[in-house]
Amino acid sequence: GQQLNQSPQSMFIQEGEDVSMNCTSSSIFNTWLWYKQDPGEGPVLLIALYKAGELTSNGRLTAQFGITRKDSFLNISASIPSDVGIYFCNVSGAGSYQLTFGKGTKLSVIP
Amino acid sequence: NAGVMQNPRHLVRRRGQEARLRCSPMKGHSHVYWYRQLPEEGLKFMVYLQKENIIDESGMPKERFSAEFPKEGPSILRIQQVVRGDSAAYFCASSPIPGANQPQHFGDGTRLSIL
Repeated sequence: GQQLNQSPQSMFIQEGEDVSMNCTSSSIFNTWLWYKQDPGEGPVLLIALYKAGELTSNGRLTAQFGITRKDSFLNISASIPSDVGIYFCNVSGAGSYQLTFGKGTKLSVIP
Repeated sequence: NAGVMQNPRHLVRRRGQEARLRCSPMKGHSHVYWYRQLPEEGLKFMVYLQKENIIDESGMPKERFSAEFPKEGPSILRIQQVVRGDSAAYFCASSPIPGANQPQHFGDGTRLSIL
């Protein structure tokens, strides 16, 4: 099946630092989504990207849909303790409803 | 709470028993998706249902697993004769219409533990 590679797998940062994580695939996709999952909860959608090259912000979060349509990155600026969690990238193909999840980037923020 | 509601939040079963997981989609959503998450892994698609219809069950094991979304009431994911390997978190998501441009809203999951 389709594989998404997320990196890094985990990261520890100081509060206030900026964070960058990315996701790559071997296939082309029309939609890239970034979800965050807090412990014991379901994933929550952070940012949706529908167009190659698109750069979208949501507060301190910024994500880009790569020009090749095979990758995406997510940046978090000025991290705070509540940013802790697992960040998943997801993709969906044309006309598809299935979300394919990466393995996630686990973020820890040291106060 | 108008979000996706799943119950129970935690379910413990012995090997060989049946597990029933329930999901009430968000109000106005008629499309339901079930995913399974193993520890340290992302969510894996299992099945997609509309009211009274299974649209895609390609991610669901052929044996022991079944899903339904009746005209009235919640969607049910049923696992018969559970085995240890069924231990996982099961998440339900819903959307108003299907398709990649419609974000899926997730519930908080049911954590199934098999003794």
